[in-house]
Amino acid sequence: SQTIHQWPATLVQPVGSPLSLECTVEGTSNPNLYWYRQAAGRGLQLLFYSVGIGQISSEVPQNLSASRPQDRQFILSSKKLLLSDSGFYLCAWSGAAQGEQFFGPGTRLTVL
Amino acid sequence: KQEVTQIPAALSVPEGENLVLNCSFTDSAIYNLQWFRQDPGKGLTSLLLIQSSQREQTSGRLNASLDKSSGRSTLYIAASQPGDSATYLCAVRDMDSSYKLIFGSGTRLLVRP
Repeated sequence: SQTIHQWPATLVQPVGSPLSLECTVEGTSNPNLYWYRQAAGRGLQLLFYSVGIGQISSEVPQNLSASRPQDRQFILSSKKLLLSDSGFYLCAWSGAAQGEQFFGPGTRLTVL
Repeated sequence: KQEVTQIPAALSVPEGENLVLNCSFTDSAIYNLQWFRQDPGKGLTSLLLIQSSQREQTSGRLNASLDKSSGRSTLYIAASQPGDSATYLCAVRDMDSSYKLIFGSGTRLLVRP
């Protein structure tokens, strides 16, 4: 069966510090991968998606970037965090572009 | 631009009651619609996926219907239990941007013992 992991589970970072969040998927190959953010009182917003290694599409211009160095690994990064980057970050995968999406447990990021 | 609305925003019911959660979307040109459950501080759990050609899907006590022409979906929960308490989210994947899900803001459900 397929599983999706995210770490860390929680993170508290000062403004201006770098960020690296990791997501890995097990039990499938060549998944479509997604990063979403869920801010307090707001809905889920798609940040990035990837259909293959090194292929990243950005949905919203922002302070973040994503990379996919391996087939089942998706990384969300920032060089300098802003207060507005605080939120709950969710990674998801699907087996096909229009297929069912499955989400990871999330990372709670607080920028102080 | 596709917009997804969920009503009500919050719902409190006694245990054992059957209930319906509503989801509406503005553009009927969709590939599919997915219902999720989210417990506080946790990720999303996929409940049901309905393709645009389907009218309904069932899983245990859950039944989701889709009326694409009217832009509506409902999630029916039979014989509700306290363990059903969570936020329920619906999301559509439309034809314009088929790779992404567009989410509603959710219905927060409390089932009282």
